[in-house]
Amino acid sequence: DTAVSQTPKYLVTQMGNDKSIKCEQNLGHDTMYWYKQDSKKFLKIMFSYNNKELIINETVPNRFSPKSPDKAHLNLHINSLELGDSAVYFCASSRGTVPYEQYFGPGTRLTVT
Amino acid sequence: GIQVEQSPPDLILQEGANSTLRCNFSDSVNNLQWFHQNPWGQLINLFYIPSGTKQNGRLSATTVATERYSLLYISSSQTTDSGVYFCAGIKAAGNKLTFGGGTRVLVKP
Repeated sequence: DTAVSQTPKYLVTQMGNDKSIKCEQNLGHDTMYWYKQDSKKFLKIMFSYNNKELIINETVPNRFSPKSPDKAHLNLHINSLELGDSAVYFCASSRGTVPYEQYFGPGTRLTVT
Repeated sequence: GIQVEQSPPDLILQEGANSTLRCNFSDSVNNLQWFHQNPWGQLINLFYIPSGTKQNGRLSATTVATERYSLLYISSSQTTDSGVYFCAGIKAAGNKLTFGGGTRVLVKP
């Protein structure tokens, strides 16, 4: 019954590796987001997709590539991981392109060693 | 983009106490939301409140859009209220939420 789910919950990997995080929502929303929360708890938007179309693309290294196979799924692939990529990554969803109410997934804690 | 400032940054409460958290915006917003991040990291949407006042149990929020601030009231606090409270807003004609730095709340039994 989980509304927004992410896998994996924890990810520990070495510098230079490539990893993916998956997100799925069953709320029937048409917009999905990726956020990064740093060690000081600061939340910043990275990407947003509406009906599989990229609508928000913040200043993020191009090692990060989102992919939305359909409006219920949004994945995040990260190439050549760096120490500074360590953070908690949250997926979220909302109805419409303006998020009047945003629902968040449980987060994926990524640790790069 | 807009700047969002939250105060206080940290708050320690005795169980049963009331408190007020504040959120100031550098520019007008027409979409304002409050979230609670519990100690396990889950982010929960508390209120969508671009203006006016809303109540949900022991929590209530008031936004004065013309003065670019919002307040979150916690009454009769409980230990389960601990966590980080975030406000976030979207400026007019925008589509992305900008978050404040959060208020870390610890409610002691």
